[in-house]
Amino acid sequence: EPEVTQTPSHQVTQMGQEVILRCVPISNHLYFYWYRQILGQKVEFLVSFYNNEISEKSEIFDDQFSVERPDGSNFTLKIRSTKLEDSAMYFCASSGQGRIMPQHFGDGTRLSIL
Amino acid sequence: AQKVTQAQTEISVVEKEDVTLDCVYETRDTTYYLFWYKQPPSGELVFLIRRNSFDEQNEISGRYSWNFQKSTSSFNFTITASQVVDSAVYFCALSPTNQAGTALIFGKGTTLSVSS
Repeated sequence: EPEVTQTPSHQVTQMGQEVILRCVPISNHLYFYWYRQILGQKVEFLVSFYNNEISEKSEIFDDQFSVERPDGSNFTLKIRSTKLEDSAMYFCASSGQGRIMPQHFGDGTRLSIL
Repeated sequence: AQKVTQAQTEISVVEKEDVTLDCVYETRDTTYYLFWYKQPPSGELVFLIRRNSFDEQNEISGRYSWNFQKSTSSFNFTITASQVVDSAVYFCALSPTNQAGTALIFGKGTTLSVSS
C-alpha cells in the first residue's frame, strides 16, 4: 500500500539553527499538509498546500516557517531560527482529489532543539 | 467554534473487555467529516475511519464499530474483545467543511491500555 515517507525520523538541532524536514507524499495525491504534536499533546495543524501554494495555515505557522515542493515528489517544511519550543513530532500528510478524502500521515520526524 | 472533545484521557482494560471511546464535536457547518486515527506506541498516525455528516449509519469493521449521532454531536468508537495490540492513543478529528485540503481539528486523544 502506498505510504507517506518522512525523513529524517529524528533530527537534533541547536537552537537558532535552520532545519528542513522532508516528506514524500503518496504519488497521486494533490493535497499536502504539515502537522505537529508536542510531546503528550494533541496533533495541531500547521499548513496545507495545493497546486504549488499554501491553501490554509494556522496561527502557529508564522514567518519562521515555510513550505516548498521543490520537485514533483518532495514536500518540505523549513523552520528558521529554531527555538526550544519547536521541539515536537512533525507529521506530513497527503490526501487525494475529491470531497474530503482521508489524510494519510507519515511516521513523523521527531525534532529536538537543544 | 469548531472543537473536538475527548473527555476520557486514559482508559485501562483487561484483554477481551469491550471498550468505548467517546468523541463529542462542535461545528456550525452542516456538512462536515469526522475521523478516527490510531497512534500506537511507535508514533505513527493510522487512519481508521471517515464519516460524513449526512451518513448516520453505524459502521462495523471486525472488532471495531462506530456510532455517529448528530443529535448529540457524538462519534463514539467501540472496540469489542480488546487485545493488547489495541493499546494506543486514539484521536477523533473533525474536518469542518466538505472542501478538499481542509485542516483536521484533532481532539486531545484517549490513551487506551489493554493488559493481558
